[in-house]
Amino acid sequence: QQQVKQSPQSLIVQKGGISIINCAYENTAFDYFPWYQQFPGKGPALLIAIRPDVSEKKEGRFTISFNKSAKQFSLHIMDSQPGDSATYFCAASIRGSTLGRLYFGRGTQLTVWP
Amino acid sequence: SQTIHQWPATLVQPVGSPLSLECTVEGTSNPNLYWYRQAAGRGLQLLFYSIGIDQISSEVPQNLSASRPQDRQFILSSKKLLLSDSGFYLCAWSGPAIYEQYFGPGTRLTVT
Repeated sequence: QQQVKQSPQSLIVQKGGISIINCAYENTAFDYFPWYQQFPGKGPALLIAIRPDVSEKKEGRFTISFNKSAKQFSLHIMDSQPGDSATYFCAASIRGSTLGRLYFGRGTQLTVWP
Repeated sequence: SQTIHQWPATLVQPVGSPLSLECTVEGTSNPNLYWYRQAAGRGLQLLFYSIGIDQISSEVPQNLSASRPQDRQFILSSKKLLLSDSGFYLCAWSGPAIYEQYFGPGTRLTVT
């Protein structure tokens, strides 16, 4: 059972446009939601993360929006650039757990056309 | 600062051959360690995780095994590789009081 559902599977955006990737979860115990960026042939890199006590977190052109009641969160990439072309994964975990296991979405392949 | 290493970077192995992939972490103590596999164009599948030396848990039954002989060393092994073992293998770590997971550069395994 997929703990975190991510959409769309692929996304094509024009340079300068806004890229939006959505994720949803069911387990209300989740309280940490990171996003990872992965370039081909590389390991995923932590991009930005949010905790459910805030509704939005912004770092540069990247913003996470969080809707606790709907159990949804999304990544917005403003002024998308060709260098943003990568696969993006959302994830969720329970901070208090000993393991710190992350439950990943299936990923979104973003292509930004120049 | 913390650094995670994986080797080899790429590996081509025949079906039925053994496998050993190594992961080491520097700059931290008592990390949680994880092995993931990523099939081509697919998501991240958690294979094994470890919260301490010789404490290994398996997520998916398969012909792979993991060991943690030292605090910051995590090894993924197989006695006989299958074609389906091909993929991109990623090691990751997190700290005892850190929620973020940090990934290594990965090993590309091709079983022929």
